[in-house]
Amino acid sequence: GESVGLHLPTLSVQEGDNSIINCAYSNSASDYFIWYKQESGKGPQFIIDIRSNMDKRQGQRVTVLLNKTVKHLSLQIAATQPGDSAVYFCAENNAGNMLTFGGGTRLMVKP
Amino acid sequence: EAGVAQSPRYKIIEKRQSVAFWCNPISGHATLYWYQQILGQGPKLLIQFQNNGVVDDSQLPKDRFSAERLKGVDSTLKIQPAKLEDSAVYLCASSPSGSTLSEQYFGPGTRLTVT
Repeated sequence: GESVGLHLPTLSVQEGDNSIINCAYSNSASDYFIWYKQESGKGPQFIIDIRSNMDKRQGQRVTVLLNKTVKHLSLQIAATQPGDSAVYFCAENNAGNMLTFGGGTRLMVKP
Repeated sequence: EAGVAQSPRYKIIEKRQSVAFWCNPISGHATLYWYQQILGQGPKLLIQFQNNGVVDDSQLPKDRFSAERLKGVDSTLKIQPAKLEDSAVYLCASSPSGSTLSEQYFGPGTRLTVT
């Protein structure tokens, strides 16, 4: 499949290590955030979400942290696997029922 | 359950030509979205439908882009005439009525190259 993006920030990690992907959002009024994973040739896939009244939310092998003071969101992936290689986007809900996506980070997992 | 279907998967046209993309959402999903994803960027919402009505098209370049969902199921997105900067992946997503934003399911996209 085609590449999602050729000039994205890239994070390269060793298989089994933990990964941390960061995202800065723009609107302090945003009340809901989602992390998506996008593999080459596919549409974005929901990973985990968090509301603005929370600082942390955990899923299976993933954790999202929200720092509203500095408008920063992070996605932590534990024990990163080759199947985690993809482009990761954060998205914020800042108006009605619409999402605004960030620029994305490419995660590369070395075996 | 079948996912969101889109066709064609790839399209190459010359500038000033016209092109149309088709989307078949997940069965029963009332809300349908079209996004534009330029290489290296996140998706940008173009238009949102609720059944056959437009909820938001504020970011749709209406001088050249149009979209319809006549029977509240399938949708088509058209560009006429295309410009070089329209080269992108066009993603369709759908969600059930009354769902949260997390329940948007994306199709694989149509990659458009304008030469």
